[in-house]
Amino acid sequence: KQEVTQIPAALSVPEGENLVLNCSFTDSAIYNLQWFRQDPGKGLTSLLLIQSSQREQTSGRLNASLDKSSGRSTLYIAASQPGDSATYLCAVESYNTDKLIFGTGTRLQVFP
Amino acid sequence: DTGVSQNPRHKITKRGQNVTFRCDPISEHNRLYWYRQTLGQGPEFLTYFQNEAQLEKSRLLSDRFSAERPKGSFSTLEIQRTEQGDSAMYLCASSSNPPNEKLFFGSGTQLSVL
Repeated sequence: KQEVTQIPAALSVPEGENLVLNCSFTDSAIYNLQWFRQDPGKGLTSLLLIQSSQREQTSGRLNASLDKSSGRSTLYIAASQPGDSATYLCAVESYNTDKLIFGTGTRLQVFP
Repeated sequence: DTGVSQNPRHKITKRGQNVTFRCDPISEHNRLYWYRQTLGQGPEFLTYFQNEAQLEKSRLLSDRFSAERPKGSFSTLEIQRTEQGDSAMYLCASSSNPPNEKLFFGSGTQLSVL
């Protein structure tokens, strides 16, 4: 059974810092890993999707990497801003399933 | 297209009442998913549809829960005889055929059972 873990559970940083969020998964037989952002009381917004054959994906100040063999992904946020404050969730789509399995998220606060 | 739409945004009900939620996916998406999320947790899979066919149901979905997607467009999720433990955010998402397709979520329906 696929399990997804995110560390840390919460993070508070000053504006301008570069930061790394971690995600690990137990079963490496995956199609892809996705990172989402969730603002309080809202739905999820897709940030990046990394296919199993890829090592990383970039979008603006965000860079996500994937090491499938070790069951790990990182989300790198450069030059953090207060508007980046949100919960960041990773999720994996495993072989032989048609659904995403989510981690519990990292709650990020960026203060001015 | 304005994305995935869910109604209502909030629902407060008394224990034992029935509630129904609606989801309108992105129009060209074949796949529609329902997830449930409680405070501080990630979304948990409930069920999904490929067009009008319900292909998988989680063990989390007790007999009190039923979902439909009658014409392969919008979907409804009904909870009968609600319990306080049903209080959660119910999220709907849609995508094109997997794998490797991004999932687009609605804003969710926040259910509070008193």
